[in-house]
Amino acid sequence: SQQGEEDPQALSIQEGENATMNCSYKTSINNLQWYRQNSGRGLVHLILIRSNEREKHSGRLRVTLDTSKKSSSLLITASRAADTASYFCATSSNAGGTSYGKLTFGQGTILTVHP
Amino acid sequence: DADVTQTPRNRITKTGKRIMLECSQTKGHDRMYWYRQDPGLGLRLIYYSFDVKDINKGEISDGYSVSRQAQAKFSLSLESAIPNQTALYFCATSDHSGRAAQYFGPGTRLTVT
Repeated sequence: SQQGEEDPQALSIQEGENATMNCSYKTSINNLQWYRQNSGRGLVHLILIRSNEREKHSGRLRVTLDTSKKSSSLLITASRAADTASYFCATSSNAGGTSYGKLTFGQGTILTVHP
Repeated sequence: DADVTQTPRNRITKTGKRIMLECSQTKGHDRMYWYRQDPGLGLRLIYYSFDVKDINKGEISDGYSVSRQAQAKFSLSLESAIPNQTALYFCATSDHSGRAAQYFGPGTRLTVT
């Protein structure tokens, strides 16, 4: 079963607008990561937020984490057409043994930014 | 040069054939992973390896096997391919901490007819 569930499944906006994607998860995590995938290509790591952090920034990206609600959000500000891609959240397992650090991915949000 | 490479990039094979997908990395990472991606399902973990002697099954290992030939090489085999194994396959690596990002290869698009 998928640990991360993302919302919305698809998002269409105009250039310059902000894009917000949400991720919910079910079990205790070590950290939560966001990845980007351009069509049919490999995933690229965007940002990692640890379980003891609440907010993190990287350029135009802002990630929040609420461990009490088991949810995270990714905000892309001032979007560009080049931001068009699929975005995935992935939770890193806090379980012991060989499960420690395993990533479980959500099904992704498809973001389309219109010029 | 890419840090994580996969060969082949595209492959069409017939039902019942054995096929091997290969992954090499130059990042010096201990951990390597194989995932498959199907439309609308995100990525699912097939197998992962923490070092050359440590290989573990992921959530969908049935019908697959792996070999960790060296720290830098991790191969995925489909012993007898079937059509529902048609998917995009990704190799990934990470450091030994289990707390860091994963680095992905470009993927192999496999079609089983």
